[in-house]
Amino acid sequence: EAGVAQSPRYKIIEKRQSVAFWCNPISGHATLYWYQQILGQGPKLLIQFQNNGVVDDSQLPKDRFSAERLKGVDSTLKIQPAKLEDSAVYLCASSLSRSSGANVLTFGAGSRLTVL
Amino acid sequence: QQQVKQSPQSLIVQKGGISIINCAYENTAFDYFPWYQQFPGKGPALLIAIRPDVSEKKEGRFTISFNKSAKQFSLHIMDSQPGDSATYFCAASGSNYQLIWGAGTKLIIKP
Repeated sequence: EAGVAQSPRYKIIEKRQSVAFWCNPISGHATLYWYQQILGQGPKLLIQFQNNGVVDDSQLPKDRFSAERLKGVDSTLKIQPAKLEDSAVYLCASSLSRSSGANVLTFGAGSRLTVL
Repeated sequence: QQQVKQSPQSLIVQKGGISIINCAYENTAFDYFPWYQQFPGKGPALLIAIRPDVSEKKEGRFTISFNKSAKQFSLHIMDSQPGDSATYFCAASGSNYQLIWGAGTKLIIKP
């Protein structure tokens, strides 16, 4: 089974620029998550999708972050404009369904963002 | 009340020794407690998980011990190997299936 694909793996931008990350979950996984992981910390949930609907975006800084999951498969996470404190690894994860989300999340390798 | 407190922040263990990482929670509604393992440059991967109806779960060299009354759970790695060097995260979730993560423990196994 193919894993969760993410791109780009690395991105360096200057503050106030924009960036977009892409995620392709495991085929058949209805639930998709975007996490932010700052160096030395645990993952922080930004947004959770069930198919193409948002389940939880309470910790998403909506003034600068946006995410979509068109057709309930691939997802993109956008940051515009970026701030220095957005430097982090952005992890995408998927699970079979929301109810099974507590069982196994499969993570991608992440996209490392550096904001200068 | 939603926090999961993990300790220690970092841990160095000799090869062949026992590695122990502890987590504590406050929300008694939590009913699922997984441990994730993360290698540098990779995303976290589920290692082992437990539900509160059992006090211990063992998978190979990895064991979760669960103390419901103390609201604590721990990961024990027996016969620790250099390949176990990674960052370990505990987590907890309840009826909303939302994982609450610990801050992580960086484990180094010395050859």
